Amino acid sequence: SQQGEEDPQALSIQEGENATMNCSYKTSINNLQWYRQNSGRGLVHLILIRSNEREKHSGRLRVTLDTSKKSSSLLITASRAADTASYFCATAFGAGTALIFGKGTTLSVSS
Amino acid sequence: GAGVSQSPSNKVTEKGKDVELRCDPISGHTALYWYRQSLGQGLEFLIYFQGNSAPDKSGLPSDRFSAERTGGSVSTLTIQRTQQEDSAVYLCASSLDVQAGENEQFFGPGTRLTVL
Repeated sequence: SQQGEEDPQALSIQEGENATMNCSYKTSINNLQWYRQNSGRGLVHLILIRSNEREKHSGRLRVTLDTSKKSSSLLITASRAADTASYFCATAFGAGTALIFGKGTTLSVSS
Repeated sequence: GAGVSQSPSNKVTEKGKDVELRCDPISGHTALYWYRQSLGQGLEFLIYFQGNSAPDKSGLPSDRFSAERTGGSVSTLTIQRTQQEDSAVYLCASSLDVQAGENEQFFGPGTRLTVL
């Protein structure tokens, strides 16, 4: 079963605009991670935020976590055409457990 | 160093045949994961290994699916009597360990399985 649900399912923006994707989950977590997938193949880790953290930055990425609402958001600033990909959130909710991925948001950035 | 590799990259098989998918994790990674991704869908967790043991097999869709890992390294996912609904991309990932999912998972390129 899916733990995380991303919103929106698809997002189309112009280069230079910001893109915001949201993720909601159901149970308490240890941490939440965001991954990116190009062309339906392997995923690449973007950023991890722990349950006791509220915000984290990495380059043009900003992730927030609201454990009271069981939600997270990924913001990509000044988007580029190369950011076009699917983005997944993944949650870990117990020691010794694997990550559970959501269904993803497909981002399309046009130049 | 080498990343996670999977073979074959593509596999076309006939309904009812058995298939074996292989995953070579990054050297030294004790945790290994198998996922399945159907067209346009998210990742469906299948099974993970900590060393050679599989603490959680709950994601395997049916008893036609099995996986093993030997020597704490290579893993094979076997699907017996394949069905058309088994068609998907099968992704393997590895991480340093599986404790609380703290570690980044490194993914292989996947095996695209098509069952005719």
